Amino acid sequence: AQKVTQAQTEISVVEKEDVTLDCVYETRDTTYYLFWYKQPPSGELVFLIRRNSFDEQNEISGRYSWNFQKSTSSFNFTITASQVVDSAVYFCALKGRDDKIIFGKGTRLHILP
Amino acid sequence: ETGVTQTPRHLVMGMTNKKSLKCEQHLGHNAMYWYKQSAKKPLELMFVYNFKEQTENNSVPSRFSPECPNSSHLFLHLHTLQPEDSALYLCASSLAAGRDEQYFGPGTRLTVT
Repeated sequence: AQKVTQAQTEISVVEKEDVTLDCVYETRDTTYYLFWYKQPPSGELVFLIRRNSFDEQNEISGRYSWNFQKSTSSFNFTITASQVVDSAVYFCALKGRDDKIIFGKGTRLHILP
Repeated sequence: ETGVTQTPRHLVMGMTNKKSLKCEQHLGHNAMYWYKQSAKKPLELMFVYNFKEQTENNSVPSRFSPECPNSSHLFLHLHTLQPEDSALYLCASSLAAGRDEQYFGPGTRLTVT
């Protein structure tokens, strides 16, 4: 069975601090895809990144970076120098061989001014 | 128009009413999805359409009836709903059902009274 665990239900940090959102996944598939989505208060989920299981290179996009570690089945997301606009719910998701996407429960991030 | 649009944004209906949710995507995608997001559960995939054919029905009650007349439009017909069906219903699309990232609409906030 496939599973995505986001153990942090809610995080609050002060603006300009760095914050890491954890994502741990379970799958028996050797080929799979991992995603991060952002859901701001407006409700619309915004795609942030897709990573396939064969590419363990970390990725950086501006203030966002992702650390994919197959050895620990983790795909963590770090925001550097956080801003109030980063406040949102962040979802990690997994898609395996059956093409069914499984979302974690999300982490609600509050960036305090 | 850009991206994925959903109408209405908010809907209040009684348990005996019949209503429909509409989703339209302007991205040239071939796969469309309905998700349910309620307060205490992770994002739940309801239906998947790939090239207008339904490829996934995630054990959704028959009071929810999807319709996909073409690759750009997706409807969710609602009848005799229950109060526990109150949730945010999100539509998404992707290039094809599978590994591609999904693009979400803003959702319809449904309240069943």
